[in-house]
Amino acid sequence: GENVEQHPSTLSVQEGDSAVIKCTYSDSASNYFPWYKQELGKRPQLIIDIRSNVGEKKDQRIAVTLNKTAKHFSLHITETQPEDSAVYFCAAPQLYQKVTFGTGTKLQVIP
Amino acid sequence: DADVTQTPRNRITKTGKRIMLECSQTKGHDRMYWYRQDPGLGLRLIYYSFDVKDINKGEISDGYSVSRQAQAKFSLSLESAIPNQTALYFCATSETRGLGLGNNEQFFGPGTRLTVL
Repeated sequence: GENVEQHPSTLSVQEGDSAVIKCTYSDSASNYFPWYKQELGKRPQLIIDIRSNVGEKKDQRIAVTLNKTAKHFSLHITETQPEDSAVYFCAAPQLYQKVTFGTGTKLQVIP
Repeated sequence: DADVTQTPRNRITKTGKRIMLECSQTKGHDRMYWYRQDPGLGLRLIYYSFDVKDINKGEISDGYSVSRQAQAKFSLSLESAIPNQTALYFCATSETRGLGLGNNEQFFGPGTRLTVL
């Protein structure tokens, strides 16, 4: 089955700095890579996703990059704000939409 | 708004008790999932169902069973709860888009916090 590794497990940044979270996956057939954000006490929610036919996608302060050759994809958050503090999960799908999640990164933005 | 709901939101029970967690959705999605979340372990798949007649085991199905009563309802049961089943449980749904590798957003319920004493 798919193996998804996510790093780092915790990340602290000063407000205004950038944050980068990286995931690697094992199944070369994977073609869709979402990122979910889970605020404290809340449910995970999709914040951005990328498909394998593109290398980068941006949405305001967040971006995702994909390197299919190396089998890794990364979440980039620029100009971090306190409300970016949360746990972030990457995911990679397996056949028939069974999805394997990374173990999560707890991001703390220090005001 | 179409949503995914879970009941109960919190439950404390004792070892050996049978527990049922319920999930309902008004999103009209065929595909439903049960995950458990433990600190440092992320979200791990327990069971998934692609329609009313389809039930599949995930990576950690031992000690759990499920029932898909209707398109909108997917229940998770712990036949004899044990303390290491203490966790946060999430139900999720996704759309149906063919049989290939999944490429659809998952919509999560609010979660059920289960404590087994």
